[in-house]
Amino acid sequence: SQKIEQNSEALNIQEGKTATLTCNYTNYSPAYLQWYRQDPGRGPVFLLLIRENEKEKRKERLKVTFDTTLKQSLFHITASQPADSATYLCALERTGANNLFFGTGTRLTVIP
Amino acid sequence: GAVVSQHPSWVICKSGTSVKIECRSLDFQATTMFWYRQFPKQSLMLMATSNEGSKATYEQGVEKDKFLINHASLTLSTLTVTSAHPEDSSFYICSAPRGGTGNQPQHFGDGTRLSIL
Repeated sequence: SQKIEQNSEALNIQEGKTATLTCNYTNYSPAYLQWYRQDPGRGPVFLLLIRENEKEKRKERLKVTFDTTLKQSLFHITASQPADSATYLCALERTGANNLFFGTGTRLTVIP
Repeated sequence: GAVVSQHPSWVICKSGTSVKIECRSLDFQATTMFWYRQFPKQSLMLMATSNEGSKATYEQGVEKDKFLINHASLTLSTLTVTSAHPEDSSFYICSAPRGGTGNQPQHFGDGTRLSIL
């Protein structure tokens, strides 16, 4: 069955450093992958979408890579700020379904 | 501003009560909406897909008679938790894809915290 793993439940980094979050998946080949941010008690907010034929995508301080051979996506936040502290979720299309399958998330804390 | 509005944001009620949660798309029409459930420190678990003008599609293990979904218009889907019990206490979130396709970026409501006493 399809499986998504975000291999760090929590990640603490110092302000100004680059945060790197990992999303691994098994047992299928999604056409694209998405990243969301979720703050406590709130719904997720869409950040970036990357397609299988794209190696990398950027948006301001965010960068996402998508390696279909390794079945892995990396999510980078450069020059991290305390305001970046949140839970970050990766999501992939579900095979044969018109919806998304979410990972368990990584809770990022940026320490001032 | 928010493009998907969810109401109420929190509910506390007694066991046996039925609770209705509304999800509205504010500036676009949503033929498809999704309902998720999230337990503390866990990810979003899809409960059902709400389809405007037709029956909802429920995920395996989700009781359709327990969680009633109605999508009566292109901007409104409702989830009713019938005869709620303490184990139904959770964070319920709806979403809608702007483009109508479930695999596109989704706009989420801010969730409803349901507590059953």
